[in-house]
Amino acid sequence: DAKTTQPPSMDCAEGRAANLPCNHSTISGNEYVYWYRQIHSQGPQYIIHGLKNNETNEMASLIITEDRKSSTLILPHATLRDTAVYYCIVSPFMFTGGGNKLTFGTGTQLKVEL
Amino acid sequence: GAVVSQHPSRVICKSGTSVKIECRSLDFQATTMFWYRQFPKQSLMLMATSNEGSKATYEQGVEKDKFLINHASLTLSTLTVTSAHPEDSSFYICSARDLQWSPGSGNTIYFGEGSWLTVV
Repeated sequence: DAKTTQPPSMDCAEGRAANLPCNHSTISGNEYVYWYRQIHSQGPQYIIHGLKNNETNEMASLIITEDRKSSTLILPHATLRDTAVYYCIVSPFMFTGGGNKLTFGTGTQLKVEL
Repeated sequence: GAVVSQHPSRVICKSGTSVKIECRSLDFQATTMFWYRQFPKQSLMLMATSNEGSKATYEQGVEKDKFLINHASLTLSTLTVTSAHPEDSSFYICSARDLQWSPGSGNTIYFGEGSWLTVV
């Protein structure tokens, strides 16, 4: 799997947008960008994923650069409950068989403060 | 949304005994499930990939005879830690890949809540 680089930590004021960057300069054409977060002592929570187009759902927006070498996860109005470790992962998908396995890096610890 | 349930959420066992952790996809089918281990303040480490009806694929350095994985149905995978030792104490997390695929979004992988294992 291609490797990703994320800042180890970020702070954000509650109510403001949290923009979490991720570099994946060696991403392959068939690899998706996945974002998960892990709140302390819980399993990772799926946030969003995309291939090349920007994506938005009820949790966040994912902006992928045109060359696909980096992406940004945007939490539009961060709350204290968004404090977590955010993981950016790139992985290919397969229709059948072993499927895409997700290899976690060290992620970004986002701290949302009042 | 899709739910993956793990049971038990916490378990304490004695050294030398075996303990089984279940992972169920509650509202979707999963041909592939993954097992991770996480030590305090560290990231998740993939242990093995389990495919329904076939043998699991273990990552390098993971003992397959110690960590037995069974994926008997499209909604259930189990991890059995055999002859547990205190160093096996960890947070074990499973994930399941949704069988349903859609163009442009592929298959989504969902995670369970995790299981804390303490070996005393």
